[in-house]
Amino acid sequence: SSELTQDPAVSVALGQTVRITCQGGSLRTYYASWYQQKPGQAPVVVIYGKNNRPSGIPDRFSGSSSGNTASLTITGAQAEDEADYYCNSRDSSGNHLGVFGGGTKLTVL
Amino acid sequence: QVQLQESGPGLVKPSETLSLTCTVSGGSISNSYWSWIRQPPGKGLEWIGYIYHSGSTNKNPSLKSRVTISVDTSKNQFSLKLSSVTAADTAVYYCAKLVVVTAISSYFDYWGRGTLVTVSS
Repeated sequence: SSELTQDPAVSVALGQTVRITCQGGSLRTYYASWYQQKPGQAPVVVIYGKNNRPSGIPDRFSGSSSGNTASLTITGAQAEDEADYYCNSRDSSGNHLGVFGGGTKLTVL
Repeated sequence: QVQLQESGPGLVKPSETLSLTCTVSGGSISNSYWSWIRQPPGKGLEWIGYIYHSGSTNKNPSLKSRVTISVDTSKNQFSLKLSSVTAADTAVYYCAKLVVVTAISSYFDYWGRGTLVTVSS
């Protein structure tokens, strides 16, 4: 079982805004990073830290955090955003161990 | 541009040891953390562990007793060994570079393409 919990599936209408959440006790201490994975491809980081986008990631992707929940928001979802999204952070032991959420399948309608 | 490439057998027999190597190009393996992550077919990502260029490691407790991660700075490579494999270890194995931004923020910035390892007799 994962220490980070994500909804298995979320859908959004084309051009609308969607928020994908990740819950876990360690998120009160550590920031999450978010990864987009399309079928047959390696994951790609889209958000890390408080709200940082790597070069090349569209500004419609943003991140936030409150309490034990980290969120990835896509403002104006595009068809190409349909993918699996995973959060990653540290576990709650304080031993700098990594953990992934179970993933959220985003469907753009 | 850093590139990572996994290599190793695609088929391993049950009870044997899975061995993979990740070759880093376009940058030095020094002064960074290097990770292994796996993904069973149709399932989510699982963090296996990481190694610092100095050789210090941290591993997933659920796999720790079976996992060895090592680094060869002279070859710009790091490696994974997973012993006593079963069908449950069948997965795509990724190597990735871990960036530790601060004590509370880190992320994987570069990933290999992944290699499928099947455990079967």
